[in-house]
Amino acid sequence: EAGVAQSPRYKIIEKRQSVAFWCNPISGHATLYWYQQILGQGPKLLIQFQNNGVVDDSQLPKDRFSAERLKGVDSTLKIQPAKLEDSAVYLCASSSPGRGYSYGYTFGSGTRLTVV
Amino acid sequence: RKEVEQDPGPFNVPEGATVAFNCTYSNSASQSFFWYRQDCRKEPKLLMSVYSSGNEDGRFTAQLNRASQYISLLIRDSKLSDSATYLCVVNPDRGSTLGRLYFGRGTQLTVWP
Repeated sequence: EAGVAQSPRYKIIEKRQSVAFWCNPISGHATLYWYQQILGQGPKLLIQFQNNGVVDDSQLPKDRFSAERLKGVDSTLKIQPAKLEDSAVYLCASSSPGRGYSYGYTFGSGTRLTVV
Repeated sequence: RKEVEQDPGPFNVPEGATVAFNCTYSNSASQSFFWYRQDCRKEPKLLMSVYSSGNEDGRFTAQLNRASQYISLLIRDSKLSDSATYLCVVNPDRGSTLGRLYFGRGTQLTVWP
C-alpha cells in the first residue's frame, strides 16, 4: 500500500510571503489531518477533514492559515502571510475506521518550512 | 495546562540497559493511548498502543494507570537502534470517531555502545 505523499519536502521563504503544501492520503482513507511540529515539540493538530468536510479546525490560526480538501482526496494547506514562528515541519496524516480512527494513523514524511 | 506532559530527557543509556519513560494526561475521559517513535528528521511512527491491562511487545512494555492518568513505557535490553524520540500520545475522544491525537513533546533516548 502506498503511503501518505507530501510535497514539497523542504521550503524556504521570507516572512510575509505565501506558501502552500500538498498532501495525498492513503487510498480509501476518508480522514485526513494536518499537524504542525515545531522543533523540540510534539506534533500539534491544525485541522481534521472527514471526506471533504472540516471536523475540527479549532487550533488552526485562521487569520493566516487555510486548508481545503476538494473532492475528499488530496488536501492543501496554505499560509499567507508567513511569520518567523511558522517555521516547523508540517505533517499530513490519514486514517481509516478499522478499530477506531486513532488506531489506523499513517503520517507522511512532512514538509520542512523555514521562514527567514 | 497541556493535554500531555512528558519529560523531554535526554536519556543517555548504555546498550543492554533498562530505561523507563513516563507521561501524564489531563483529560480523564481520554480513551486511546499510544507510544510513537520518531527518528531524527523523520515522521512519527506507531510503536505500540497502550491498554489498561498493560501490554508487551518484545522488549517493550507499556502500562496505563487511568486513576493517576499516567502512561509508561519500559524498554529492556536497550539496543543502539532504539535511539530515537519517544512520543506519548492520547486520543481524547470517546468512541474514537474523531481520531484526534494529542502528542507530548517527546523524550529523547540515546543508547551508546
